[in-house]
Amino acid sequence: ETGVTQSPTHLIKTRGQQVTLRCSSQSGHNTVSWYQQALGQGPQFIFQYYREEENGRGNFPPRFSGLQFPNYSSELNVNALELDDSALYLCASSGSETQYFGPGTRLLVL
Amino acid sequence: DQQVKQNSPSLSVQEGRISILNCDYTNSMFDYFLWYKKYPAEGPTFLISISSIKDKNEDGRFTVFLNKSAKHLSLHIVPSQPGDSAVYFCAASDRESNFGNEKLTFGTGTRLTIIP
Repeated sequence: ETGVTQSPTHLIKTRGQQVTLRCSSQSGHNTVSWYQQALGQGPQFIFQYYREEENGRGNFPPRFSGLQFPNYSSELNVNALELDDSALYLCASSGSETQYFGPGTRLLVL
Repeated sequence: DQQVKQNSPSLSVQEGRISILNCDYTNSMFDYFLWYKKYPAEGPTFLISISSIKDKNEDGRFTVFLNKSAKHLSLHIVPSQPGDSAVYFCAASDRESNFGNEKLTFGTGTRLTIIP
């Protein structure tokens, strides 16, 4: 067990809605990264937060946004949901080298 | 543009034998490589990593080999056990250019099945 937790575990939304996913990082880790894993694919980097600032972003549109809080927990917000946003959303925390992943939130957009 | 490739979607190996999972990459800036294992309904679990200054790293039953000239790495599991059945992802990062931003680029995964 990595100590990284995510909520909720599953979520169903309809197209056009907004969603907020949450992640609590492992104790002592100040960096959180978010990934999207579509069915049959590897995880794709969305963005990373380091000490409450965005520290790198992948090829995702601005309707994907995030926050990191002083306790290093993080949120991923997705606006104007599209059907293709259906995926497993993974959060990973790191202190120096290795990223440790949470169990993920499975989002289904109908 | 798939910068990290795992060309074998699946692999079946007899229990006790060696499992070899392969990964190729195209970005010569990648300097750190990791293997993750994923069970259904769980997040990826870190297994082993290797820096580009090495060509081999070993941890118990797991050994990762890196061939920089071929842009190829492999994960060897010996002996293979039924609990090793999972999806294995290869990942890479460019740490020198992106210090502090450990963006990982993943392959599409190989499903390993260990046959008892």
